[in-house]
Amino acid sequence: EDKVVQSPLSLVVHEGDTVTLNCSYEVTNFRSLLWYKQEKKAPTFLFMLTSSGIEKKSGRLSSILDKKELFSILNITATQTGDSAIYLCAVNFGNEKLTFGTGTRLTIIP
Amino acid sequence: ETGVTQTPRHLVMGMTNKKSLKCEQHLGHNAMYWYKQSAKKPLELMFVYNFKEQTENNSVPSRFSPECPNSSHLFLHLHTLQPEDSALYLCASSQGWDRPDQPQHFGDGTRLSIL
Repeated sequence: EDKVVQSPLSLVVHEGDTVTLNCSYEVTNFRSLLWYKQEKKAPTFLFMLTSSGIEKKSGRLSSILDKKELFSILNITATQTGDSAIYLCAVNFGNEKLTFGTGTRLTIIP
Repeated sequence: ETGVTQTPRHLVMGMTNKKSLKCEQHLGHNAMYWYKQSAKKPLELMFVYNFKEQTENNSVPSRFSPECPNSSHLFLHLHTLQPEDSALYLCASSQGWDRPDQPQHFGDGTRLSIL
């Protein structure tokens, strides 16, 4: 059964800290892994990863995929209060279907 | 502004009511999706339409009835819902089958409460 597990479920850190969010998966037909950020509204797209070992970066956020060990990490450096959100990991196992994890709720304390 | 607009933003209805959720995308995409997001649960895919054809019905009860009149519009018709159907309903769109390198884009959702 296709499955996506995120950890930790929640995380509270101080502004300026660096955080690492984890996503592991078991899927029968991997196509890509996606990270989304969800504040109070729509999940907004962050990264799509398809190849192992290639880091994707956007400002203070970066992500990498390990297809051998079946996991991905999302790093956020120098966190700010605006980074407080739920971070969702999803895996595309073909035919445009996404399987989501439960998300990591990140809270940044000023 | 994500390019995917959902209405209404909030909906409260009784178990015997009939209502519809609407989704419109302005991104020129060919695939549209309905998801259900309940507290402390992963997003659950409900329906997928690709070029207006339903390609996925993820074992959704018949009290939820989707409609996709064209590639830009998607509806979810609701009737005789149950309290456990209270959730955030998210619509998404993507380029479609032939562009797996493109992500899905989500609307802000409709917060549904069943009395």
